[in-house]
Amino acid sequence: QVQLQESGPGLVKPSETLSLTCAVSGASITSSWWSWVRQPPGEGLEWIGETSHRGTTHYNPSLKSRLSISVDKTNNQFSLKLTSVTAADTAVYKCVRNGVGGHAFDYWGQGALVTVSS
Amino acid sequence: QSALTQPASVSGSPGQSITISCTGTSSDVGAYSYVSWYQQHPGKAPKLMIYDVTYRPSGVSNRFSGSKSGNTASLTISGLQAEDEADYYCSSYTSIYTYVFGTGTKVTVL
Repeated sequence: QVQLQESGPGLVKPSETLSLTCAVSGASITSSWWSWVRQPPGEGLEWIGETSHRGTTHYNPSLKSRLSISVDKTNNQFSLKLTSVTAADTAVYKCVRNGVGGHAFDYWGQGALVTVSS
Repeated sequence: QSALTQPASVSGSPGQSITISCTGTSSDVGAYSYVSWYQQHPGKAPKLMIYDVTYRPSGVSNRFSGSKSGNTASLTISGLQAEDEADYYCSSYTSIYTYVFGTGTKVTVL
């Protein structure tokens, strides 16, 4: 059973950097691509970006200038860093596996609420 | 990239069939057979219902089916049940190696 678990600060100040890590169990980080998706409270899903186990990344163009996603094969996890955050970045951040077929998100973490506020 | 367009809400009575549309462009939905659909109940993580336009993951009811024509994909739920009441999102791979989600549709079982 594949499980993903997000961790990181739940409160970040405006202009600072949001950092989250996703620990993967039940599957090797080398087996798939891995994505981050966010959902502002009461709103829809937004794809943030993805990484391969080799560190190849693709980013949402609207976030690209502030975004970094990295992979840690040793600890079977991957991470997200989003710089210069504003209140608009307040959301539940979910880590996801790009699994079946290669272009669908088949396993999701429960999500981590990150609030941007001073 | 702009979100794919879905109707805000769709409703139906138990036992009926409903269809949710997902309209994109020739750079996403129209370009690839990589459309997927997700069901999300309140407070829960999304669940993959359809991938690669028409395929159901193991364990998903065959009451759910997907299709695509041009730049528009569709999800049909047959034999609507109370448990189908949820938010539904489509997603597509794009020509710039990214993904885009739909705006989301709230399904109400009357």
